[in-house]
Formats: sequence, C-alpha cells, structure tokens
Amino acid sequence: DAKTTQPNSMESNEEEPVHLPCNHSTISGTDYIHWYRQLPSQGPEYVIHGLTSNVNNRMASLAIAEDRKSSTLILHRATLRDAAVYYCIVSNTGNQFYFGTGTSLTVIP
Amino acid sequence: NAGVMQNPRHLVRRRGQEARLRCSPMKGHSHVYWYRQLPEEGLKFMVYLQKENIIDESGMPKERFSAEFPKEGPSILRIQQVVRGDSAAYFCASSLAGGLDTQYFGPGTRLTVL
Repeated sequence: DAKTTQPNSMESNEEEPVHLPCNHSTISGTDYIHWYRQLPSQGPEYVIHGLTSNVNNRMASLAIAEDRKSSTLILHRATLRDAAVYYCIVSNTGNQFYFGTGTSLTVIP
Repeated sequence: NAGVMQNPRHLVRRRGQEARLRCSPMKGHSHVYWYRQLPEEGLKFMVYLQKENIIDESGMPKERFSAEFPKEGPSILRIQQVVRGDSAAYFCASSLAGGLDTQYFGPGTRLTVL
C-alpha cells in the first residue's frame, strides 16, 4: 500500500473551514483514499473515502487531485468536537490500513 | 444498533501473565481486524480474521500472540507471557464485507504490563 505524508499538526479557529492535506505520490490506480479520525482516548472513526472523484458526506468533503498524488479533507465549519488526529490512508485491499502518525488538529474557540 | 464492543476497557497484568482481549463486532459483521497503538504513534495492523479463519496475520508478532474468531462468540486476541513492551492500546474493528468496506472501530483495550 502507498505511504502517505501529512503535517504533524494544524490549528483552526472555530466555525472556520479546515483543509487537511495529504500527499500520496506512490498511489496506484486501484488504491482508495480513506480518512479516519481519532478523538482522545477513543477508537478511530471513519470520516470519508474516495477513488478519483471528489466526495461529500455529512461529516466532510474529500477533494482528490487530478493526478491522485494528493488529496485534501475539508471540514466546512470546524467545531471543538472536531479536535482529533486525522489519518489519511491509501489502500487497495482494505486488509491492512497503514495509519501513520496523522495530523493533530487543534480547534481554537 | 450497538457498535463494536471491546472488553475489558482496561487490563493490568504482571510480566509473565496472559492477557485475553475480547471483541464483539457490529451485528451482521463477519470480518474483524486487530490493531495495536503504542503511545504517541499511529495504529499498526496486526491481524484480519473472517469467521473461523485467519485471512492475514502479517502484522502479528511470531511468538506469544494469537487471535481467533470462533463461529459463536467474540473474537479473542491472546497474549501469552506478557512483557512491558506489550503495554499499548489494542483496537478491534469490524466490517460487513471485508475488502474496501468501511471498518468500524471499538473503544479499545488499554493493556498495562507491570
């Protein structure tokens, strides 16, 4: 599975949009892009996933670059409950999700 | 609809003892995954099971660790003769169809080895 690169940490003001980037330059044609988040002392929570086209759901949007070598998770209006570690995962089997160290998002009131 | 259940939530063992961690997948899910998370690190895949079968155990240490998912009952991750380095959070996830299907995670079991 392709490795991913994410910033270690990011900050956002409450009520403002947040763009969390992820680079996956070695992605292959059959790899899906998954995003999970982990709140303190909890298990990871599914956020969104996609293959080629941009995706939207009630939690977030996923913007995938045309060459698929990067993607961006978009939280449209950050709340304090969105403070978590966000993991970008690239996988074509789903058996082994490589979580990496993720991006720790701090939301400032 | 209950989510993935794990018990116990916290487990303390002395070196050399056995640890048994239990995972009940979401209703209707027959695919179970175990991950380990050391402090300040991301989750590391350990094993993937589908009812009564181990599909992928490439992340499991070769010794002292075993996993099962019997036809009836929860999945069990067993650690024999625990050492301090086994102290970690162990997460279980389940999915309906395996493959690229969404994995739903439990709250984890935090193992402390004294």
